Amino acid sequence: DGGITQSPKYLFRKEGQNVTLSCEQNLNHDAMYWYRQDPGQGLRLIYYSQIVNDFQKGDIAEGYSVSREKKESFPLTVTSAQKNPTAFYLCASSTTGTAAYNEQFFGPGTRLTVL
Amino acid sequence: SQQGEEDPQALSIQEGENATMNCSYKTSINNLQWYRQNSGRGLVHLILIRSNEREKHSGRLRVTLDTSKKSSSLLITASRAADTASYFCATARGGGNNRLAFGKGNQVVVIP
Repeated sequence: DGGITQSPKYLFRKEGQNVTLSCEQNLNHDAMYWYRQDPGQGLRLIYYSQIVNDFQKGDIAEGYSVSREKKESFPLTVTSAQKNPTAFYLCASSTTGTAAYNEQFFGPGTRLTVL
Repeated sequence: SQQGEEDPQALSIQEGENATMNCSYKTSINNLQWYRQNSGRGLVHLILIRSNEREKHSGRLRVTLDTSKKSSSLLITASRAADTASYFCATARGGGNNRLAFGKGNQVVVIP
């Protein structure tokens, strides 16, 4: 899981609550990503950031928010507007560049369950 | 957006056999990458093949890319029980955008 940490590993939330998932990297990567993984559906991109103080929506951003105040950190907030938040959430980081031959490094994931 | 899509397989093989899985995609790409995921863990990068490459090797892994057919295959030779995992392909369009589009994954079980 090299250099990327996610916390907590397991998270339980009551309906109507916002929760924030932590993602920290010490790889000095400019780009960071949040994915959601559901059984049988692979990974879907929620948000990504290619530089500090800037981020873009991915394919399923509704009900989620992010911030990128520091290079090392890219927290994800799952809001009460997300209708089906129970899933496995993965954070990743990569270098950037015009060549874009950049593998992504993943954290160990956070499993969120809404009770 | 582009998507990598594996043939949705659950592959079960004996230790020592070869495992092959395929991936197809829909748009032009800059590169294609394969990742492995052990149950309940993060993904680990295995190999990257660029759009101008046709074949690449890394240890027991062999990846091919056919851009005319928009498809790729991953071959694991002499499989081991530790190869039991899900394998995902991911495509990158490049152009300064580092986004990857992931397929749904192939689950491989290697029986000791």
